[in-house]
Amino acid sequence: KQEVTQIPAALSVPEGENLVLNCSFTDSAIYNLQWFRQDPGKGLTSLLLIQSSQREQTSGRLNASLDKSSGRSTLYIAASQPGDSATYLCAVTAGNQFYFGTGTSLTVIP
Amino acid sequence: DTAVSQTPKYLVTQMGNDKSIKCEQNLGHDTMYWYKQDSKKFLKIMFSYNNKELIINETVPNRFSPKSPDKAHLNLHINSLELGDSAVYFCASSPPDALYGYTFGSGTRLTVV
Repeated sequence: KQEVTQIPAALSVPEGENLVLNCSFTDSAIYNLQWFRQDPGKGLTSLLLIQSSQREQTSGRLNASLDKSSGRSTLYIAASQPGDSATYLCAVTAGNQFYFGTGTSLTVIP
Repeated sequence: DTAVSQTPKYLVTQMGNDKSIKCEQNLGHDTMYWYKQDSKKFLKIMFSYNNKELIINETVPNRFSPKSPDKAHLNLHINSLELGDSAVYFCASSPPDALYGYTFGSGTRLTVV
């Protein structure tokens, strides 16, 4: 069974720093990997989607990478801002199942 | 706007009541899902429907019953609500080819008192 883990569980950084969030999964047979952002008390916003044949995707200050063979993905956030504070979730799609990671709670300190 | 929309956004109810949460998507997706997010923020799949047919039914109490009147709607009905049902419930949809990702609703925060 697929297990998705995110490290660290919580992260605090000063504004302006670059940071990396990690996601690992146990079964490399995935269709895609998706990164989401969840603000307190709100829904999920899809940030980036990497298909299994791709190695990375970029959107603005965000860059997500995927290494299927090692079962890892990273989300790189450049020049962090207080507005980036949220919980970040990765999720993998395998078959008709969608497996969420445990999440990383990010706080960017002004 | 093209989206997955859930109603209500907040629901507070007493133990023992029966309640429903509605979900609609106008993305033309064939598959819809219900997820439960627990207090530790972990999302766990409950049900999945493809073209109105149930394809995933994880281990959830029989008090939870999904209903899909058409492929654009997947409603969640909960009987005899218990305190432990308090959580945020998310609806989602995806196209036939899961390569293109899932779209989530904004969630329904259910509080059972």
